[in-house]
Amino acid sequence: AQSVAQPEDQVNVAEGNPLTVKCTYSVSGNPYLFWYVQYPNRGLQFLLKYITGDNLVKGSYGFEAEFNKSQTSFHLKKPSALVSDSALYFCAVRDLESFSGGYNKLIFGAGTRLAVHP
Amino acid sequence: NAGVTQTPKFQVLKTGQSMTLQCAQDMNHNSMYWYRQDPGMGLRLIYYSASEGTTDKGEVPNGYNVSRLNKREFSLRLESAAPSQTSVYFCASSTLAGETQYFGPGTRLLVL
Repeated sequence: AQSVAQPEDQVNVAEGNPLTVKCTYSVSGNPYLFWYVQYPNRGLQFLLKYITGDNLVKGSYGFEAEFNKSQTSFHLKKPSALVSDSALYFCAVRDLESFSGGYNKLIFGAGTRLAVHP
Repeated sequence: NAGVTQTPKFQVLKTGQSMTLQCAQDMNHNSMYWYRQDPGMGLRLIYYSASEGTTDKGEVPNGYNVSRLNKREFSLRLESAAPSQTSVYFCASSTLAGETQYFGPGTRLLVL
């Protein structure tokens, strides 16, 4: 079965330090992978995605993610964290098995809360 | 360009009452989705509509019905609300199913 896992419920980082939010996936074919961010009382916002090509994907707000096929991971990174980066982060993978009439859905991880301290 | 809009923002229901959550998008997207978000559970797909005229069940469809009214609008109906349906509901849309989804601001529902 297709799945995505975010092993950390919360990540704590000091402002100015690099941050990493982890994501691992399990799919039967080539994965489409996404990162979303959710600020308090808001909907999810798209940050970046990997479909094919360069393993390092750059996205919004200075975030980037590294696709590692051998480790089946897609970790989100930022070189220097800001207090304003504090939010809930979701990794998602395209569900390649639910092929209903040619349509695929996204499977979301449980989310990781990022807390950046001044 | 408003993106994805949802109404209402907040609703309190009594057990057994019915209500419809409204969602509209102005991005000319083909696919639309309804999710619920509960603490520690991430987002769970309730129903989706890959294109106008089609709807399919997601992970947690029981107790819900949907209508894809036209290309822009996708509504979610609770026929007889239960406390277990207390949640935050998000609507999303994408150009095609499996592509980047864009989310509305959410509806916070409390069922007493």
